[in-house]
Amino acid sequence: EDKVVQSPLSLVVHEGDTVTLNCSYEVTNFRSLLWYKQEKKAPTFLFMLTSSGIEKKSGRLSSILDKKELFSILNITATQTGDSAVYLCAVRSSNTGKLIFGQGTTLQVKP
Amino acid sequence: DSGVTQTPKHLITATGQRVTLRCSPRSGDLSVYWYQQSLDQGLQFLIQYYNGEERAKGNILERFSAQQFPDLHSELNLSSLELGDSALYFCASSVVDQALGSPLHFGNGTRLTVT
Repeated sequence: EDKVVQSPLSLVVHEGDTVTLNCSYEVTNFRSLLWYKQEKKAPTFLFMLTSSGIEKKSGRLSSILDKKELFSILNITATQTGDSAVYLCAVRSSNTGKLIFGQGTTLQVKP
Repeated sequence: DSGVTQTPKHLITATGQRVTLRCSPRSGDLSVYWYQQSLDQGLQFLIQYYNGEERAKGNILERFSAQQFPDLHSELNLSSLELGDSALYFCASSVVDQALGSPLHFGNGTRLTVT
Protein backbone atom coordinates (compact mmCIF):
# COMPACT_ATOMS: atom_id res chain seq x y z
CA GLU A 1 0.00 0.00 0.00
CA ASP A 2 1.26 3.47 -0.88
CA LYS A 3 2.23 5.57 2.12
CA VAL A 4 3.90 8.80 3.12
CA VAL A 5 5.53 9.30 6.52
CA GLN A 6 6.60 12.67 7.86
CA SER A 7 8.85 13.42 10.76
CA PRO A 8 8.91 14.91 13.23
CA LEU A 9 5.18 15.16 13.86
CA SER A 10 5.70 18.40 15.73
CA LEU A 11 8.49 20.84 16.30
CA VAL A 12 8.94 23.96 18.43
CA VAL A 13 11.74 26.38 17.58
CA HIS A 14 12.64 30.02 18.16
CA GLU A 15 12.76 32.75 15.59
CA GLY A 16 15.96 32.65 13.61
CA ASP A 17 16.44 28.91 13.92
CA THR A 18 16.80 26.66 10.90
CA VAL A 19 14.52 23.63 10.64
CA THR A 20 14.52 20.51 8.50
CA LEU A 21 11.32 18.58 7.91
CA ASN A 22 11.45 15.04 6.60
CA CYS A 23 9.22 13.07 4.30
CA SER A 24 9.73 9.44 3.33
CA TYR A 25 7.49 7.53 0.97
CA GLU A 26 6.64 4.19 -0.52
CA VAL A 27 4.68 4.39 -3.73
CA THR A 28 4.48 2.40 -6.93
CA ASN A 29 5.45 4.31 -10.07
CA PHE A 30 6.42 7.53 -8.39
CA ARG A 31 5.50 10.63 -10.36
CA SER A 32 6.11 13.64 -8.10
CA LEU A 33 6.37 14.84 -4.52
CA LEU A 34 4.67 18.01 -3.35
CA TRP A 35 5.01 20.16 -0.24
CA TYR A 36 2.14 22.23 1.12
CA LYS A 37 1.80 24.68 4.01
CA GLN A 38 -1.45 24.63 5.94
CA GLU A 39 -2.31 27.40 8.33
CA LYS A 40 -5.88 27.75 9.46
CA LYS A 41 -7.59 26.80 6.25
CA ALA A 42 -6.57 25.57 2.83
CA PRO A 43 -3.20 23.93 2.19
CA THR A 44 -1.16 26.22 -0.01
CA PHE A 45 1.26 24.85 -2.56
CA LEU A 46 5.00 25.29 -1.92
CA PHE A 47 7.01 22.99 -4.18
CA MET A 48 6.67 20.14 -6.60
CA LEU A 49 9.68 17.85 -7.04
CA THR A 50 10.11 15.27 -9.74
CA SER A 51 13.86 14.81 -10.15
CA SER A 52 16.49 13.73 -7.63
CA GLY A 53 19.12 16.14 -6.44
CA ILE A 54 17.64 19.32 -7.87
CA GLU A 55 16.94 21.83 -5.15
CA LYS A 56 13.84 23.95 -5.38
CA LYS A 57 14.09 27.27 -3.56
CA SER A 58 11.69 30.03 -2.66
CA GLY A 59 13.02 32.69 -0.32
CA ARG A 60 13.94 31.04 2.98
CA LEU A 61 12.37 27.72 1.99
CA SER A 62 14.07 25.03 -0.01
CA SER A 63 13.43 21.39 -0.77
CA ILE A 64 15.21 18.48 -2.35
CA LEU A 65 14.23 14.97 -3.39
CA ASP A 66 16.19 11.71 -3.21
CA LYS A 67 14.43 9.13 -5.39
CA LYS A 68 16.95 6.43 -4.57
CA GLU A 69 16.42 6.66 -0.82
CA LEU A 70 12.75 7.62 -1.24
CA PHE A 71 12.68 10.79 0.80
CA SER A 72 12.52 14.53 0.63
CA ILE A 73 13.45 17.32 3.02
CA LEU A 74 12.03 20.79 3.43
CA ASN A 75 14.38 23.36 4.93
CA ILE A 76 13.36 26.65 6.42
CA THR A 77 16.12 29.05 7.37
CA ALA A 78 15.89 32.08 9.66
CA THR A 79 12.43 31.01 10.80
CA GLN A 80 9.79 33.61 11.60
CA THR A 81 6.58 33.36 13.61
CA GLY A 82 4.67 33.46 10.33
CA ASP A 83 6.22 30.12 9.41
CA SER A 84 4.14 28.47 12.14
CA ALA A 85 1.88 26.02 10.32
CA VAL A 86 1.37 22.38 9.44
CA TYR A 87 3.64 21.32 6.61
CA LEU A 88 2.24 18.55 4.45
CA CYS A 89 4.12 16.26 2.13
CA ALA A 90 2.23 14.47 -0.63
CA VAL A 91 3.26 11.95 -3.24
CA ARG A 92 1.66 11.23 -6.57
CA SER A 93 1.75 7.85 -8.26
CA SER A 94 1.35 7.75 -11.99
CA ASN A 95 -0.46 4.45 -11.55
CA THR A 96 -3.45 5.83 -9.73
CA GLY A 97 -2.85 9.53 -10.17
CA LYS A 98 -4.09 10.30 -6.68
CA LEU A 99 -2.14 12.47 -4.26
CA ILE A 100 -1.34 10.70 -0.99
CA PHE A 101 -0.62 12.93 1.99
CA GLY A 102 1.49 12.35 5.04
CA GLN A 103 0.27 13.20 8.53
CA GLY A 104 2.02 16.54 8.47
CA THR A 105 4.58 18.25 10.67
CA THR A 106 3.26 20.93 12.99
CA LEU A 107 5.84 23.69 13.29
CA GLN A 108 5.59 26.32 15.99
CA VAL A 109 8.01 29.23 15.85
CA LYS A 110 8.25 31.20 19.08
CA PRO A 111 9.32 34.86 19.20
CA ASP B 1 -6.87 33.08 -2.49
CA SER B 2 -6.52 29.85 -4.47
CA GLY B 3 -9.52 30.54 -6.70
CA VAL B 4 -11.29 27.36 -5.55
CA THR B 5 -14.62 28.13 -3.91
CA GLN B 6 -16.37 25.85 -1.48
CA THR B 7 -19.78 26.28 0.08
CA PRO B 8 -20.97 26.22 2.75
CA LYS B 9 -18.09 27.05 5.08
CA HIS B 10 -19.75 25.35 8.02
CA LEU B 11 -22.45 22.73 8.29
CA ILE B 12 -24.00 21.32 11.44
CA THR B 13 -26.41 18.46 11.07
CA ALA B 14 -27.73 15.43 12.91
CA THR B 15 -26.88 11.78 12.51
CA GLY B 16 -28.79 10.05 9.75
CA GLN B 17 -29.14 13.19 7.67
CA ARG B 18 -27.87 13.93 4.17
CA VAL B 19 -25.83 16.95 3.10
CA THR B 20 -24.38 18.32 -0.13
CA LEU B 21 -21.07 20.14 -0.32
CA ARG B 22 -20.35 22.30 -3.33
CA CYS B 23 -17.12 23.21 -5.08
CA SER B 24 -16.28 25.56 -7.93
CA PRO B 25 -12.79 24.94 -9.33
CA ARG B 26 -10.34 27.61 -10.45
CA SER B 27 -11.11 29.07 -13.83
CA GLY B 28 -9.63 26.77 -16.48
CA ASP B 29 -9.11 23.78 -14.20
CA LEU B 30 -10.70 20.59 -15.44
CA SER B 31 -9.90 18.27 -12.55
CA VAL B 32 -11.64 18.35 -9.17
CA TYR B 33 -10.63 16.31 -6.14
CA TRP B 34 -12.29 15.78 -2.80
CA TYR B 35 -10.37 15.18 0.42
CA GLN B 36 -11.47 14.56 3.99
CA GLN B 37 -9.34 15.87 6.84
CA SER B 38 -9.92 14.72 10.37
CA LEU B 39 -7.61 15.08 13.36
CA ASP B 40 -6.59 11.45 13.53
CA GLN B 41 -6.49 10.65 9.82
CA GLY B 42 -4.85 13.57 8.11
CA LEU B 43 -5.86 14.40 4.53
CA GLN B 44 -7.58 11.40 2.97
CA PHE B 45 -8.29 11.27 -0.74
CA LEU B 46 -11.91 10.54 -1.54
CA ILE B 47 -12.50 10.93 -5.26
CA GLN B 48 -11.35 12.73 -8.41
CA TYR B 49 -13.23 13.93 -11.47
CA TYR B 50 -11.78 15.08 -14.74
CA ASN B 51 -13.94 17.00 -17.19
CA GLY B 52 -17.11 15.41 -15.86
CA GLU B 53 -15.89 11.85 -15.55
CA GLU B 54 -14.80 9.97 -12.47
CA ARG B 55 -11.05 9.41 -12.74
CA ALA B 56 -9.85 7.97 -9.44
CA LYS B 57 -11.39 6.74 -6.23
CA GLY B 58 -9.90 6.61 -2.77
CA ASN B 59 -11.36 5.25 0.43
CA ILE B 60 -14.73 6.80 -0.18
CA LEU B 61 -17.60 5.27 1.73
CA GLU B 62 -20.62 3.91 -0.15
CA ARG B 63 -22.73 6.48 1.72
CA PHE B 64 -20.76 9.19 -0.06
CA SER B 65 -21.07 10.10 -3.72
CA ALA B 66 -19.93 12.90 -5.96
CA GLN B 67 -20.35 14.27 -9.42
CA GLN B 68 -18.91 16.93 -11.67
CA PHE B 69 -21.30 18.93 -13.79
CA PRO B 70 -20.85 20.29 -17.34
CA ASP B 71 -19.86 23.69 -15.96
CA LEU B 72 -17.13 21.81 -14.02
CA HIS B 73 -18.42 22.55 -10.55
CA SER B 74 -18.66 19.51 -8.31
CA GLU B 75 -20.84 18.31 -5.48
CA LEU B 76 -20.06 15.81 -2.75
CA ASN B 77 -23.10 14.13 -1.25
CA LEU B 78 -22.86 12.58 2.19
CA SER B 79 -25.80 10.51 3.41
CA SER B 80 -26.80 8.55 6.51
CA LEU B 81 -24.36 10.71 8.40
CA GLU B 82 -22.53 9.35 11.42
CA LEU B 83 -20.64 11.14 14.18
CA GLY B 84 -17.39 9.93 12.65
CA ASP B 85 -18.10 11.83 9.45
CA SER B 86 -17.40 15.08 11.25
CA ALA B 87 -14.38 16.53 9.51
CA LEU B 88 -13.10 19.24 7.22
CA TYR B 89 -13.88 18.44 3.59
CA PHE B 90 -11.59 20.01 1.03
CA CYS B 91 -12.06 20.39 -2.66
CA ALA B 92 -9.02 20.95 -4.86
CA SER B 93 -8.59 21.56 -8.55
CA SER B 94 -5.83 21.35 -11.10
CA VAL B 95 -5.37 22.21 -14.74
CA VAL B 96 -4.94 18.74 -16.11
CA ASP B 97 -5.37 15.18 -15.06
CA GLN B 98 -3.50 14.53 -11.84
CA ALA B 99 -1.32 11.88 -13.36
CA LEU B 100 0.40 14.45 -15.55
CA GLY B 101 1.84 16.24 -12.56
CA SER B 102 0.26 19.64 -12.03
CA PRO B 103 -0.15 20.80 -8.42
CA LEU B 104 -3.52 20.86 -6.71
CA HIS B 105 -4.97 24.11 -5.44
CA PHE B 106 -7.25 23.79 -2.44
CA GLY B 107 -10.38 25.58 -1.39
CA ASN B 108 -10.91 26.70 2.21
CA GLY B 109 -12.96 23.64 3.04
CA THR B 110 -16.35 22.88 4.50
CA ARG B 111 -16.36 22.04 8.19
CA LEU B 112 -18.99 19.40 8.81
CA THR B 113 -20.15 18.71 12.34
CA VAL B 114 -22.50 15.79 12.90
CA THR B 115 -24.29 15.84 16.25
